[in-house]
Amino acid sequence: EVQLLESGGGLAQPGGSLRLSCAASGFTFNSYVMNWVRQAPGKGLEWVSGVSASGGTSYYADSVKGRFTISRHNSQNTVYLQMNSLRDDDTAVYFCARDGLAASGSDYWGQGTLVTVSS
Amino acid sequence: DIQMTQSPSTLSASVGDRVTITCRASQSISDWLAWYQQKPGKAPKLLIYKASRLERGVPSRFSGSGAGIEFTLTISSLQPDDFATYYCQQYSSYPYGFGQGTELEIK
Repeated sequence: EVQLLESGGGLAQPGGSLRLSCAASGFTFNSYVMNWVRQAPGKGLEWVSGVSASGGTSYYADSVKGRFTISRHNSQNTVYLQMNSLRDDDTAVYFCARDGLAASGSDYWGQGTLVTVSS
Repeated sequence: DIQMTQSPSTLSASVGDRVTITCRASQSISDWLAWYQQKPGKAPKLLIYKASRLERGVPSRFSGSGAGIEFTLTISSLQPDDFATYYCQQYSSYPYGFGQGTELEIK
C-alpha cells in the first residue's frame, strides 16, 4: 500500500525556518517525481515545488523560489522541503504528492502538515 | 507561467443532475491536465489524468474532455458523495498550476 507521511510542520516566526519531511512507503521511491503542494486556510491548492526521481532536477513556484529548497534521500525514501525566510503568507497545510509514472498527475497524496507563520 | 482559470467558482446542483466544470489554460497544454476532488480536511484525490483518462477506482459517472486550452469535467449523475471542491491542474510545464477550484454544493 502506498503511503506518504508528512512531518515537521508547526509554528515559526516570520523570517524563520522549518524543514518538512515526507516519508514514503509501499512503492519504488527512486522511480517517482515528488512534489509539495500547499493550501492556505480556506484557499485553493498551490503547487510549491517538485523534484525529479534522481533528485538531480528541482522546480519551484515563483512565490517560494530562492527561499525554499526541495531535496530527496532515495536510500531513506524521504523527500524534504527546507523553508527559509518564512512569511505570513506561507501559512498553509503542506501536502506531499507523488507523480504517477504514466504521466498521470499526482496519484497519491499525504494527509498534510500544517505550517503556521506568526509572531 | 501557465495560468489556469476554472468556472464556475461555485455550482449548486441536486442529486441526479448532470454538471460540467470548465478549465481554461492561458496557453496550449496539449492534454497534460488532471482533475482532483477535495473534501474538507482531506487531501485531494486524483479523478482524471491526461484530460480524459479515468483514474483506477473512480466511478464512470466522472469524465473529462478537451485538449489545447479548454477542458471540461462532467459528472453525469450527481451522487451525494460528489459534493466537494474540484480542481484542475496543468502538468505540461513547470511551474505546475492549479485552477482556483469549483465548489459543488447541494441545491
